[in-house]
Formats: sequence, structure tokens, C-alpha cells
Amino acid sequence: KNEVEQSPQNLTAQEGEFITINCSYSVGISALHWLQQHPGGGIVSLFMLSSGKKKHGRLIATINIQEKHSSLHITASHPRDSAVYICAVDSGGGADGLTFGKGTHLIIQP
Amino acid sequence: DGGITQSPKYLFRKEGQNVTLSCEQNLNHDAMYWYRQDPGQGLRLIYYSQIVNDFQKGDIAEGYSVSREKKESFPLTVTSAQKNPTAFYLCASSKRGGVAANEQFFGPGTRLTVL
Repeated sequence: KNEVEQSPQNLTAQEGEFITINCSYSVGISALHWLQQHPGGGIVSLFMLSSGKKKHGRLIATINIQEKHSSLHITASHPRDSAVYICAVDSGGGADGLTFGKGTHLIIQP
Repeated sequence: DGGITQSPKYLFRKEGQNVTLSCEQNLNHDAMYWYRQDPGQGLRLIYYSQIVNDFQKGDIAEGYSVSREKKESFPLTVTSAQKNPTAFYLCASSKRGGVAANEQFFGPGTRLTVL
């Protein structure tokens, strides 16, 4: 069974700072997902990637398959980026659900 | 708009009672999933279904039951056998089950509290 570790668990930063959240996993995967969970509980999918790098607005996700590691970066962070960011891996081709990290609680202070 | 709806958002139940959580999707997705979220833990898979009339146990299925009679609906019943049912429950769906790398779409969740 895949083990997914995220770091840091909690992160507080000032508005405008460059943010990095890390995710590592133990077993080879078909894809890795980055999700965002707001205080109300709903989850939004940010990225799904299996190699290289993806960018959407101020968010960038990278993955290194050989090192079993992914990072989520936020440039020019803003208080509205405050949320829990969750890394999840798809080990079985989507057949049996995702394995999730515990999440990184990010607070961006104005 | 296409999406996943879960109802109710908050649910209170007396100990010993069964309760059913609703999950409906109009995305025409084949696969649906139920996850449980507890404070300080990652989401854990309860049940999943790849197609209508078929479902499989996830990592923590004990004390739960599901049905998949229609493509768009995947209700979860929390039975009295579930020892610690107070949690946040999330439903998700993806386009196809059993194939590689599907993006999952999540519902807004139901927070269940057992009194």
C-alpha cells in the first residue's frame, strides 16, 4: 500500500511570499493529484500529473517520478490561498480510489 | 451546472441508529467513491463503484453499506455497527473506473455527528 507523506503540516506566510508544499510517496503511481480544501470542507482538484510540470495561474505543480516526489508552488501568495492542500496518489489506475496525504494547512497573512 | 451533490450538509444521529448519506452526480461518470475524513488524518476510502450494480470495499468498509442501482446515485448507509461514525464524509466520481489516471471530482461533503 502506498504511503503518502506531506510537508510541512502547517505553514504560515506573509502575503506575496513564494510557497512550496512537498509530497513524497513510497510506491510507483499512475498519477498524482493536488487538491485544495477550503474551511467549509469542499475539495477542488487543482492538478493531476504523471510527469513533468503543470502551471495554472499562480500555481505550479512538479513531479519527479524517479524520486517519488512532487511539489506544489504558489507564487505571489494571497490570503485567499489559505486552505488545506492535499496530495493524493493513484496507484492502481483509478480502479480502487486514491491514497491521500494528511494535508498541509496553509495560512497567508495580509 | 454539472457536479456532485451531497445531502444533507450536516447530519445528527442518535447512537444505535442507521443513517443514509446521499450522493448524486450529473457528470455521467462511471465510477463513484465514498471517503471518510477525520481530524489529522488523510481521507480514507470506504467503498467504490466502477459501474452500476457493482461496488467494492475500500480500506475501512466495516459498519458501512452502499448501493449503486443508478449511474448517477451512490448512497452510503452508516449502520449502528460502525463504532465511531462521527466524521466528515466525501463523495467523489471519475469518468471511468478501472483505467489509469482519472481526475476525481468531489462533492461538498456531509458532516455526521453521532450524539
